[in-house]
Amino acid sequence: GAGVSQSPRYKVAKRGQDVALRCDPISGHVSLFWYQQALGQGPEFLTYFQNEAQLDKSGLPSDRFFAERPEGSVSTLKIQRTQQEDSAVYLCASRRTSASDTQYFGPGTRLTVL
Amino acid sequence: GENVEQHPSTLSVQEGDSAVIKCTYSDSASNYFPWYKQELGKRPQLIIDIRSNVGEKKDQRIAVTLNKTAKHFSLHITETQPEDSAVYFCAASLGYSGSARQLTFGSGTQLTVLP
Repeated sequence: GAGVSQSPRYKVAKRGQDVALRCDPISGHVSLFWYQQALGQGPEFLTYFQNEAQLDKSGLPSDRFFAERPEGSVSTLKIQRTQQEDSAVYLCASRRTSASDTQYFGPGTRLTVL
Repeated sequence: GENVEQHPSTLSVQEGDSAVIKCTYSDSASNYFPWYKQELGKRPQLIIDIRSNVGEKKDQRIAVTLNKTAKHFSLHITETQPEDSAVYFCAASLGYSGSARQLTFGSGTQLTVLP
């Protein structure tokens, strides 16, 4: 079946612009995660959804970062007033249930802020 | 919170040799340890995982060992092939079913298999 998909794959923004990154999880997966991966580093946790509920947003680096999953499927990560330090790959992952272990990752969106 | 350290950061081996990557974690409550392979520009892909109630798990040429006392786990790849060249990440998660149980990743190991 189809895996996790993300769009756009690449995004270039000027500093100060707002961006929206989309994640389509595997159909029926309850859990959804966003991670940020800086160049040459491992992914770092940003936020977690169980269905439409955002249960953990402890990894969001500032109040410029906002995520939603209004219908419990597609999720959007929004970054307001982008800064150069926001440049990274943003990965989405989904997990079948909250009791499952395996997280399936999308291909990521590479954000470059000029 | 959890902290995961991974060594080495780069590893070069000859085709057919074995490769070993090691990770340590800080929180003794961590109970799930996956390994992901990430090729350049691609998504991380799970290659093997282990839970804390198991000491070793093997899948063909890949094996993972876990030492809970030392808070240490390792990835072993035997009979390496050029297509094994990639960045490998270890990760750990803790928590109970129903909580986020997000993954905390190591910093990655760039494995190069020389033909």
